[in-house]
Amino acid sequence: AQKVTQAQTEISVVEKEDVTLDCVYETRDTTYYLFWYKQPPSGELVFLIRRNSFDEQNEISGRYSWNFQKSTSSFNFTITASQVVDSAVYFCALFMNTGFQKLVFGTGTRLLVSP
Amino acid sequence: GAGVSQTPSNKVTEKGKYVELRCDPISGHTALYWYRQSLGQGPEFLIYFQGTGAADDSGLPNDRFFAVRPEGSVSTLKIQRTERGDSAVYLCASSPGGTGVTQLGETQYFGPGTRLLVL
Repeated sequence: AQKVTQAQTEISVVEKEDVTLDCVYETRDTTYYLFWYKQPPSGELVFLIRRNSFDEQNEISGRYSWNFQKSTSSFNFTITASQVVDSAVYFCALFMNTGFQKLVFGTGTRLLVSP
Repeated sequence: GAGVSQTPSNKVTEKGKYVELRCDPISGHTALYWYRQSLGQGPEFLIYFQGTGAADDSGLPNDRFFAVRPEGSVSTLKIQRTERGDSAVYLCASSPGGTGVTQLGETQYFGPGTRLLVL
């Protein structure tokens, strides 16, 4: 079965703290894709990153970084020096490589960054 | 360029009524998806179109739900005999929709959603 688990329901930090959002996935596919999306209070899902299963290099984009570890089936997301504007719900998602294009989402982690 | 647009942004209806939700994908995107997001949950897949045809409708909860995309661009999600449990945010997404290997795991770009409330 394809499944994504985001065990952290809500995280609260103070501005400038670093925070890591956890994502654990389950799949039997050898080729798969993982995504992170941000959903601010406005409601629109904003794409952050896409990673395929053959590329285990960690990625950094500004204050954002992602740690992909196939050995533990995890794809964790770290925000360095958090800002109030980072407050949102963050979703990790797994693409099902079954010939179709559906994304399986986790339940999301709500991040609250206070000034 | 313009992103995915959805109308209406909010829809309030009464139990038993019929509703239509519209999605206008990013220009040139041939793949279109509908998801449903209940409060406190992640989006759940409903249906996927490649061009005009529904390539996967396995996520539609029952036969009250139906979606069309007659010209391969705009899509309409139709819900008959609405029930209170249908209340949710309905999200539409699109992706370029390449062929073969290039289509795998394409990034899906989401619209702002339609918030449906069934009273």
